[in-house]
Amino acid sequence: LAKTTQPISMDSYEGQEVNITCSHNNIATNDYITWYQQFPSQGPRFIIQGYKTKVTNEVASLFIPADRKSSTLSLPRVSLSDTAVYYCLVYQYNTDKLIFGTGTRLQVFP
Amino acid sequence: EAQVTQNPRYLITVTGKKLTVTCSQNMNHEYMSWYRQDPGLGLRQIYYSMNVEVTDKGDVPEGYKVSRKEKRNFPLILESPSPNQTSLYFCASSPQITGAVEAFFGQGTRLTVV
Repeated sequence: LAKTTQPISMDSYEGQEVNITCSHNNIATNDYITWYQQFPSQGPRFIIQGYKTKVTNEVASLFIPADRKSSTLSLPRVSLSDTAVYYCLVYQYNTDKLIFGTGTRLQVFP
Repeated sequence: EAQVTQNPRYLITVTGKKLTVTCSQNMNHEYMSWYRQDPGLGLRQIYYSMNVEVTDKGDVPEGYKVSRKEKRNFPLILESPSPNQTSLYFCASSPQITGAVEAFFGQGTRLTVV
């Protein structure tokens, strides 16, 4: 089973770039890597998804090395409103399951 | 507006009293699932459904039931709730589960069993 491991928490200041790395050693060939953001008392919200190399959208970038055993979510110039919990998860192709990790709590300070 | 709607948002009940948490999506998604979220444990999948009349157990199915009679609805049933089922519950839906897919989550139901 592809389980994910992330740092429990991270601190940053407004305007800085934040990189959150996720380890997924047992990722299978057809699995996708997805990141979600969750604010208190709200459901998780999709940020970005990728399979390999680099993916970029209007809010974040996702870097996936060739071996795909890890991935890095990059948030450019964070603001106070980026304070949230970020989940890395792997869609397990062979079991049709989305496996959430325990998430990384990002605190952004002024 | 595309959304996943859960009801109720908050519920306090007593041990053993059957309850149902409803979940409805208006996006014609095939895949729906239920998660519970507990401090320090992240989100754990309870049940999921690939399509109408097709359901399967997730990682923590004990004490829960689900049904999928219509594509848009996926209720979570607790036949005899116990205090260890006190948790924050989320319903999610997605257009498919294979390949690149974005899951949409409801706002959550905070359940307290006393």
